[in-house]
Amino acid sequence: SAVISQKPSRDICQRGTSLTIQCQVDSQVTMMFWYRQQPGQSLTLIATANQGSEATYESGFVIDKFPISRPNLTFSTLTVSNMSPEDSSIYLCSVHYLGTENTEAFFGQGTRLTVV
Amino acid sequence: GESVGLHLPTLSVQEGDNSIINCAYSNSASDYFIWYKQESGKGPQFIIDIRSNMDKRQGQRVTVLLNKTVKHLSLQIAATQPGDSAVYFCADYRDDKIIFGKGTRLHILP
Repeated sequence: SAVISQKPSRDICQRGTSLTIQCQVDSQVTMMFWYRQQPGQSLTLIATANQGSEATYESGFVIDKFPISRPNLTFSTLTVSNMSPEDSSIYLCSVHYLGTENTEAFFGQGTRLTVV
Repeated sequence: GESVGLHLPTLSVQEGDNSIINCAYSNSASDYFIWYKQESGKGPQFIIDIRSNMDKRQGQRVTVLLNKTVKHLSLQIAATQPGDSAVYFCADYRDDKIIFGKGTRLHILP
C-alpha cells in the first residue's frame, strides 16, 4: 500500500495566476500520475510523471499549461499555469501498485482548486 | 480517448437489496479492469479488480463479472448498506495507466 499526501488541500486563485500542487508518497515509486476531476465528473488522466525524464501527457493536456516536476522517487509537483475558471477542478495524484493478486491505485485526498 | 463507460449515471437501491452497477468497455487490450468507490470529498478507493483472462472474481460482499464477448463489466454489491452510498467508477489498466469511466452514483433507500 501507499500513503499519499497532497497539498494544498484547497485553494482559491485569481485568473491568470499559477498554482503548484505537491504530492508526497511514503515509498519510492517509479511512476506517479496526475488526474483532474471536474465537478460531477470522472477522473481524467493528465500525465504520467517518471523520475529523471519528462512527463508524458495525455491527449488534450500540454506541458506549458501543466508543467510537472519529478525530482525523486517519492515526490512530484503539478503546476496549473495561467489559470482560468475552466481550470476549477479537483486535482489528484496517484501511484499504482501491481501485485500478484491486485492492481491497485492509491490516491491523495486531492486539491480542490477554484479559479475566480 | 476514453475506453470505458457506464450505462446508468444514478442507481437507487433499497437497503438490504443487492446492487448491480454496469460498465461497457471498448478496448480489448486492457490487462485489468478495476472498480473504485469514491465518497464525497475523498479520493477513489479500490474495491476489486479482475484480470482480463478471468470472468468472475469475488471479494467481501462484492463480485465482479467480466463478459469479454459483449465487452461488459459489472459490480455486484450484496446486501447493500447505507455506507455503500458513493460514486462507483469502473476503470481499465493498460500501457501502465489506469483510465476511468464516467461513474454511477449509488443511492441507498431506507
